[in-house]
Amino acid sequence: GAVVSQHPSWVICKSGTSVKIECRSLDFQATTMFWYRQFPKQSLMLMATSNEGSKATYEQGVEKDKFLINHASLTLSTLTVTSAHPEDSSFYICSAREFGGQGRYNEQFFGPGTRLTVL
Amino acid sequence: DAKTTQPTSMDCAEGRAANLPCNHSTISGNEYVYWYRQIHSQGPQYIIHGLKNNETNEMASLIITEDRKSSTLILPHATLRDTAVYYCIVTPAYSQKLVFGQGTRLTINP
Repeated sequence: GAVVSQHPSWVICKSGTSVKIECRSLDFQATTMFWYRQFPKQSLMLMATSNEGSKATYEQGVEKDKFLINHASLTLSTLTVTSAHPEDSSFYICSAREFGGQGRYNEQFFGPGTRLTVL
Repeated sequence: DAKTTQPTSMDCAEGRAANLPCNHSTISGNEYVYWYRQIHSQGPQYIIHGLKNNETNEMASLIITEDRKSSTLILPHATLRDTAVYYCIVTPAYSQKLVFGQGTRLTINP
């Protein structure tokens, strides 16, 4: 099956710094990538949808200036958490939808997640 | 998108079939039923999806009632590695989004 990787798998940073998380589709081209956040014992919450070469679409309540998303190629999307604070500590998961994928309309391939801890 | 209702948790003995129900009584004609699962501290994994016919793949079977208001995911021979949170998601084919509910925490016991 299609593989999505994330880097780093975990990161610890100081409050006020910025952190960049990469999401890559390894063996397919992803027209669309999604970013989710998951707090402990809670479900995944969609943060934003990004299409290659265009601006990301953010879900209601997600600050676009705080969570910068770049989808510059069909295999790479990045999420930058700017001026991170302890409340941004969470599990961040990306997913990718295959370009021109047939038969599985909404099948998304998920990365392994990145655990962010802000001190 | 239609709302789904799933039991919070379920237990199943290893080797037995695990049947996970999902209620989606407000489903509309163009909405598919998707199942994903999330093993602890990992990204979700696609299992199966269907529109109105029953579906089977190497992982599971999906049984959708004739009125499409509910469905059941069946893991035919559950193993300890099937312990995970299982999410039932209803979404239109044209929608790019997957909206995750709370899911069912399935525990497979030895």
